[in-house]
Amino acid sequence: GAVVSQHPSRVICKSGTSVKIECRSLDFQATTMFWYRQFPKKSLMLMATSNEGSKATYEQGVEKDKFLINHASLTLSTLTVTSAHPEDSSFYICSPELEGTDTQYFGPGTRLTVL
Amino acid sequence: GNSVTQMEGPVTLSEEAFLTINCTYTATGYPSLFWYVQYPGEGLQLLLKATKADDKGSNKGFEATYRKETTSFHLEKGSVQVSDSAVYFCALNNFNKFYFGSGTKLNVKP
Repeated sequence: GAVVSQHPSRVICKSGTSVKIECRSLDFQATTMFWYRQFPKKSLMLMATSNEGSKATYEQGVEKDKFLINHASLTLSTLTVTSAHPEDSSFYICSPELEGTDTQYFGPGTRLTVL
Repeated sequence: GNSVTQMEGPVTLSEEAFLTINCTYTATGYPSLFWYVQYPGEGLQLLLKATKADDKGSNKGFEATYRKETTSFHLEKGSVQVSDSAVYFCALNNFNKFYFGSGTKLNVKP
């Protein structure tokens, strides 16, 4: 089956610092990557969609200058939370779409805690 | 707009009990419907899906039927096992975007 990894799985940082989260599709290529955010006891909320080599498309209410997305290759995408604040503490999940299909797979998530 | 509502948990059952997790949706057009399962420390895994009205998705003893008239996609299993303990998410996909319910935690006791 399709394997998706995220690194780190957990990160604790101080307010004002930036955090980079990596998402890799280990055994397939993903033209499109979706990034989600999950609040406790809430559903996953789509943050942005990126296509390899193109700028990401952000959902309404998501600050593109705060959540920087880079989709440099068909197997790697990164989400950088810049100048993190406590309200950015959340569970971030990536979802690469198998190239040539509309099938999405999900990473295990990254728990971000901003102190 | 598009949204999914599922029953709040946690749901606690004894092994071999019957399971129902309710899910209803609102959507424009003709969405596909999904159930995902998330085991502790792991990512979401597709459990089953249905792409059109009256379709029944099934996998590992779980099943759900796409009911357009009631806009529902309830998850059922006749006899749950301890290994089924996880969080279950109902979701719809419309125009290649996913919309998720808030998840229902299932605890199955031996």
